[in-house]
Amino acid sequence: SAVISQKPSRDICQRGTSLTIQCQVDSQVTMMFWYRQQPGQSLTLIATANQGSEATYESGFVIDKFPISRPNLTFSTLTVSNMSPEDSSIYLCSVEAPGQGFTFGSGTRLTVV
Amino acid sequence: AQKVTQAQTEISVVEKEDVTLDCVYETRDTTYYLFWYKQPPSGELVFLIRRNSFDEQNEISGRYSWNFQKSTSSFNFTITASQVVDSAVYFCAFHSNSGYALNFGKGTSLLVTP
Repeated sequence: SAVISQKPSRDICQRGTSLTIQCQVDSQVTMMFWYRQQPGQSLTLIATANQGSEATYESGFVIDKFPISRPNLTFSTLTVSNMSPEDSSIYLCSVEAPGQGFTFGSGTRLTVV
Repeated sequence: AQKVTQAQTEISVVEKEDVTLDCVYETRDTTYYLFWYKQPPSGELVFLIRRNSFDEQNEISGRYSWNFQKSTSSFNFTITASQVVDSAVYFCAFHSNSGYALNFGKGTSLLVTP
């Protein structure tokens, strides 16, 4: 199955700053997914990123707050902008490998102080 | 719209007990996939199983077994002779051709004590 390298694994950031999370996949994939997992909660889909087009955001998430780049079929970034303590969460990227299901990055544990 | 319900928020068992985690789903799709993932305290998501809607055979993998019943829209997960290392949050998830991403249940936190 596809292997995803996600970084950083964790970070502590000051409120008002931005953090960019990167995911690199070892194979070409059409869609990449970005999830947020708030403390003690389940995973919530932020957006779906296709190469060559703008990401599709879920209700409650906007591009200005969570801009996403997808420059090629193996790489994507998610930026958490103008952070506040409420953005403290685990952020995960995911891809679907045909016939194999979904693979996840190891997650980025973000703490905003 | 699809929906996944894990009614058990937290379960606590003593080591060597058997434990079953429940998962109920709702869908109008005829073709879909069900998943179980494990999330240990370290935070990564570990894939456990994927089952498609046309395969209702139960599956066993070591101490893990899964019971898929379309008649009750359930995909339950049993751990036999639980161990402390089984302590984690377990997520049931749904995927169909009508949507692209996984739809997760709220998760069940399992604590296995010595």
